[in-house]
Amino acid sequence: DAGVTQSPTHLIKTRGQQVTLRCSPISGHKSVSWYQQVLGQGPQFIFQYYEKEERGRGNFPDRFSARQFPNYSSELNVNALLLGDSALYLCASSSGQGGNEQFFGPGTRLTVL
Amino acid sequence: AQRVTQPEKLLSVFKGAPVELKCNYSYSGSPELFWYVQYSRQRLQLLLRHISRESIKGFTADLNKGETSFHLKKPFAQEEDSAMYYCALGRGGTSYGKLTFGQGTILTVHP
Repeated sequence: DAGVTQSPTHLIKTRGQQVTLRCSPISGHKSVSWYQQVLGQGPQFIFQYYEKEERGRGNFPDRFSARQFPNYSSELNVNALLLGDSALYLCASSSGQGGNEQFFGPGTRLTVL
Repeated sequence: AQRVTQPEKLLSVFKGAPVELKCNYSYSGSPELFWYVQYSRQRLQLLLRHISRESIKGFTADLNKGETSFHLKKPFAQEEDSAMYYCALGRGGTSYGKLTFGQGTILTVHP
């Protein structure tokens, strides 16, 4: 198993644009969580999905949205990009059977110019 | 609201010296505490969790609910321990997929 995979690896956008980031969880994992990591900070929770339902949302504006597909992969969408959205976006998957052990992907580096 | 504090941004020790990375948390419920590590050019990975009470790569961490701390310790640091370390707090129940991370501590072990 390749572990959690994310695409693209890097992305450059301009202010006002929209972006979609993708995540494939570990096979058999039904829970996907998204985190934003700004340079010099720890990851900050954005969303959690389990069995295609939103189970948690962090303190992020409505410009951020996500969804989970029947195969448990997930997309994170960010509209009307701001310079402050520049960050590493991490996806993590877990079995969802209880406990918080999450397995992280390599992240997508988003740069907003 | 829950919070995790790692007071040291940078920590430097010499090989063979003991090391302790501090972590304090605030949470009113029953927490799950984790230490994650990120080696250079690698993804974030779980080092240990308080529930398992394991020793991984010589590291241990004890949850002290009285002091609301979960410090990471190793008696003899190795150069390969140089990495970024994050303490993280998880909640139970339906919030199990949400972790609150500290700001991280960069550990450098000098030869």
